[in-house]
Amino acid sequence: DVKVTQSSRYLVKRTGEKVFLECVQDMDHENMFWYRQDPGLGLRLIYFSYDVKMKEKGDIPEGYSVSREKKERFSLILESASTNQTSMYLCASSSPGGWGYTFGSGTRLTVV
Amino acid sequence: ILNVEQSPQSLHVQEGDSTNFTCSFPSSNFYALHWYRWETAKSPEALFVMTLNGDEKKKGRISATLNTKEGYSYLYIKGSQPEDSATYLCAFTDSWGKLQFGAGTQVVVTP
Repeated sequence: DVKVTQSSRYLVKRTGEKVFLECVQDMDHENMFWYRQDPGLGLRLIYFSYDVKMKEKGDIPEGYSVSREKKERFSLILESASTNQTSMYLCASSSPGGWGYTFGSGTRLTVV
Repeated sequence: ILNVEQSPQSLHVQEGDSTNFTCSFPSSNFYALHWYRWETAKSPEALFVMTLNGDEKKKGRISATLNTKEGYSYLYIKGSQPEDSATYLCAFTDSWGKLQFGAGTQVVVTP
């Protein structure tokens, strides 16, 4: 069964910590995406990548960076976590021209 | 500001009743409209992808219609069951090939 795996289901971090959220897909997809979901705001795109070592800013990249050293892995980095980054984070992948995404199960991050 | 609007934000349905809700999106530069079901503690699951005006898709008791000229899609649940409780997300494919999501409609089916 193909999947997108996010390393943690729940995380609690302190303000100012550097936080890594990991996402791995086993479908050989070129495209990978990081979203956050907040009540009433839908899924908002943070960063995406169309290829290894390639990254593009989404709609809300401030306070985040990403890394894609291997095709199957796309990491989201919070350089200095803040309380307004408390959210549900979803990773997804797709193939070029493919219809729709395959999602991970999400990481609920709480910054205290 | 969301380009994709979903309404209502939430609804409660009695088991056995049918219900429907709306997704509206920009009608210009349309490529495709997607519906996902997102159950608590699970990954969002793709339900439908629709591309043509007038498209209708069906999966069991759930169906969807698409009007690209006026920019809306309806999702219908016939004879709701507790397992239909979820957040239903719609998204449209923009000109860059990325999905733009709405905020979702949370459906709670009570026995």
